[in-house]
Amino acid sequence: DADVTQTPRNRITKTGKRIMLECSQTKGHDRMYWYRQDPGLGLRLIYYSFDVKDINKGEISDGYSVSRQAQAKFSLSLESAIPNQTALYFCATSDLPLAGETDTQYFGPGTRLTVL
Amino acid sequence: GNSVTQMEGPVTLSEEAFLTINCTYTATGYPSLFWYVQYPGEGLQLLLKATKADDKGSNKGFEATYRKETTSFHLEKGSVQVSDSAVYFCALSDLLKTSYDKVIFGPGTSLSVIP
Repeated sequence: DADVTQTPRNRITKTGKRIMLECSQTKGHDRMYWYRQDPGLGLRLIYYSFDVKDINKGEISDGYSVSRQAQAKFSLSLESAIPNQTALYFCATSDLPLAGETDTQYFGPGTRLTVL
Repeated sequence: GNSVTQMEGPVTLSEEAFLTINCTYTATGYPSLFWYVQYPGEGLQLLLKATKADDKGSNKGFEATYRKETTSFHLEKGSVQVSDSAVYFCALSDLLKTSYDKVIFGPGTSLSVIP
């Protein structure tokens, strides 16, 4: 079974609708992240969470919100979807790095979202 | 601010050809450098990493050397296979930041290997 799962894998919705993307992990990591991927732009960070009580905005958080329901679950919501939120969305996790190290991120398979 | 630049491709090679994907970075501190690979329909996975100058990361026949003098971390493989067809992302993470050391990704380079 995959360590990081995302649901749904594909979603088509209409402008103005509320959408929730869900992420679950079995790696036991405290840190979780949401990214979006657009062609030619790489991955951009939307939100991240270092534990259940910690939520931080990334570089492109406008129009998005998140909820960390448990250590293993981190959901991303689009309160009122718009067409330029059409993208591939990835959830990732990482462990607390050892001193002098940096964290390696583990990605889910992605959710392809289309907003019409 | 920190940034990563890489050749965008697409790159098309014949099987057994030599691969180089260039990556250069800008960072204010002493970053760790990564290559991630994304196979079709999948999420990104770490391919290799290097945490200090002159370190060489290697995995699955791929190599990259952390060159501080040229701020580069070019990915190389001596003989590519069809199964190496994927998108490759160069990334950095700056350890000096006291807050979260955000990972910054390059735009990705698409590689297609033909038989």
